[in-house]
Amino acid sequence: QITLKESGPTLVKPTQTLTLTCTFSGFSLSTSGVGVGWIRQPPGKALEWLALIYWDDDKRYSPSLKSRLTITKDTSKNQVVLTMTNMDPVDTATYYCAHRRGGKVGGRPLNWFDPWGQGTLVTVSS
Amino acid sequence: DIQMTQSPSSVSASVGDRVTITCQASQGISSWLAWYQQKPGKAPKLLIYAASSLQSGVPSRFSGSGSGTDFTLTISSLQPEDFATYYCQQANSFPLAFGPGTKVDIK
Repeated sequence: QITLKESGPTLVKPTQTLTLTCTFSGFSLSTSGVGVGWIRQPPGKALEWLALIYWDDDKRYSPSLKSRLTITKDTSKNQVVLTMTNMDPVDTATYYCAHRRGGKVGGRPLNWFDPWGQGTLVTVSS
Repeated sequence: DIQMTQSPSSVSASVGDRVTITCQASQGISSWLAWYQQKPGKAPKLLIYAASSLQSGVPSRFSGSGSGTDFTLTISSLQPEDFATYYCQQANSFPLAFGPGTKVDIK
């Protein structure tokens, strides 16, 4: 059974850096094809994809946030860490990590997410 | 970047109704689309992937269809536990993108 859980601060001040950790079980990020993504959801709004890291350390980012995001993995700890710099009140959201599923077509990876962690609400306020 | 739209934004329906939600991609994505269900205060749950493949454990009253730019999620007979918000997601290329969501509520 695959499970994921997000952890990190619930409150950060504007301009600070947010560090979130996704701790998972039931799979290994050293296995070919495996990936973990981060998605966020502002209160009452839609889902927004942020970043994805693959077993081979390939990393993909949302272009609109790329300059502020860093995703890393620690295979030995079964963890993926997302950092977001220069936090702003508009970054207030529930942040989810999720297990990537999907194969490849023409060498291009397909990516959907299942399952998801429970999410962690991060509020940005002074 | 590929943009996703959904219609309607909300629908009121009764138990037993057939409900159809549409999702449109701004450019062709073949069959690389997923659908998720999200209940209040909960994480999204994968229902459909590759446009029409039912995720394990998902009731057969859920079905998906479409390819290219136009996709549909159908609930054949709405059940009380199906009242939720539904999101589509293009899985074809980066950046990945979700639709704005369709809320299904009780009529």
